[in-house]
Amino acid sequence: AQSVAQPEDQVNVAEGNPLTVKCTYSVSGNPYLFWYVQYPNRGLQFLLKYITGDNLVKGSYGFEAEFNKSQTSFHLKKPSALVSDSALYFCAVRDSGSGNTGKLIFGQGTTLQVKP
Amino acid sequence: EAEVAQSPRYKITEKSQAVAFWCDPISGHATLYWYRQILGQGPELLVQFQDESVVDDSQLPKDRFSAERLKGVDSTLKIQPAELGDSAMYLCASSSRQGEQFFGPGTRLTVL
Repeated sequence: AQSVAQPEDQVNVAEGNPLTVKCTYSVSGNPYLFWYVQYPNRGLQFLLKYITGDNLVKGSYGFEAEFNKSQTSFHLKKPSALVSDSALYFCAVRDSGSGNTGKLIFGQGTTLQVKP
Repeated sequence: EAEVAQSPRYKITEKSQAVAFWCDPISGHATLYWYRQILGQGPELLVQFQDESVVDDSQLPKDRFSAERLKGVDSTLKIQPAELGDSAMYLCASSSRQGEQFFGPGTRLTVL
């Protein structure tokens, strides 16, 4: 069974410092990995995805993620955090059994708190 | 920029009542998903449509939940009767054939 783990419930970082939000996955076959962000009482906004190719994926709002096959990880990173980055972040893997439109399997989420 | 529309944004109901949520996907998106997000958890798929056909409803509690997408465009998710444990955010998403899923703002359901 495919699964995603986000080991940290909350990450605290000072504005201007680099941030990392951790994600590990377990899949059979090739992983299709995603990061989404959710602001209070809002839906999920797509940040970035890894399907194939370069292990460093760049996405929206200055975020990037590094795919590491040997460690089965897909950590989200940003070189310099902003207070406005404070939100709930979800890592997800796409169910590989259903092609491009398979359902997403989400982690539990990590709350990012950026302090001024 | 095209968006997924959902209504209502908030719904408060009493247990044993019926509720319905509506979703209008991005134009041209053939695949539509309904996810349920319980507070403090990640979203979980309830039902997936390809055009007007259900392709995955394995996690849909079929004794009380139903979903339809009659013309392959907008969709309705219904709960009858609602139970206290149904309190959650109900998210609709749609995707093109390339697979990236776009989410609507969600409907926050509170069952009293």
